[in-house]
Amino acid sequence: AQTVTQSQPEMSVQEAETVTLSCTYDTSESNYYLFWYKQPPSRQMILVIRQEAYKQQNATENRFSVNFQKAAKSFSLKISDSQLGDTAMYFCAFILNSGGYQKVTFGTGTKLQVIP
Amino acid sequence: EAGVTQSPTHLIKTRGQQATLRCSPISGHTSVYWYQQALGLGLQFLLWYDEGEERNRGNFPPRFSGRQFPNYSSELNVNALELEDSALYLCASSRALTGGQETQYFGPGTRLLVL
Repeated sequence: AQTVTQSQPEMSVQEAETVTLSCTYDTSESNYYLFWYKQPPSRQMILVIRQEAYKQQNATENRFSVNFQKAAKSFSLKISDSQLGDTAMYFCAFILNSGGYQKVTFGTGTKLQVIP
Repeated sequence: EAGVTQSPTHLIKTRGQQATLRCSPISGHTSVYWYQQALGLGLQFLLWYDEGEERNRGNFPPRFSGRQFPNYSSELNVNALELEDSALYLCASSRALTGGQETQYFGPGTRLLVL
């Protein structure tokens, strides 16, 4: 069974600073996908970034980047130049897709507060 | 492009009743996923529908069920409601899986309160 652990329930960062959110997972599979989703207060979940496990290069989306360490089963999210709009719950997700079968596992989330 | 929509936004029921939640996916998406987001527990995967069929379900009792209609919209039914069913229920949709992993796009959720 797959597990996803987000060990930081809450974090805070000063506006314009950089923050890293951690995510570790456990699986015996080799072909899977990892996602970071953001859920702002009272607003819906939106995709931040995705990473295919077979890709060695770390994904980047503007101010958001990941540090994907496959051997260590780690998938951290770095937010650079933090903005007030980054205040949200961040969820790490692991999706195993094999032969039309999908298994989806989300972490419990990290609440990020960006301080002006 | 319209996003994933869910109705109702809020639902209040009493123990033992049945709840029906609805989801309309993004146009062109054929897969629909249902999640339960209870306080402090993150998202728990409930059900996955694709092309009208249930493809997978999470560790939830059979009183959680649903279906997908020919227009790819979906319905989640929760029978014999219990207090611990109170949660935000999120629906997500994606394109058909074609070997890779399609990104899931989420709706705003239905907040279910069981009294």
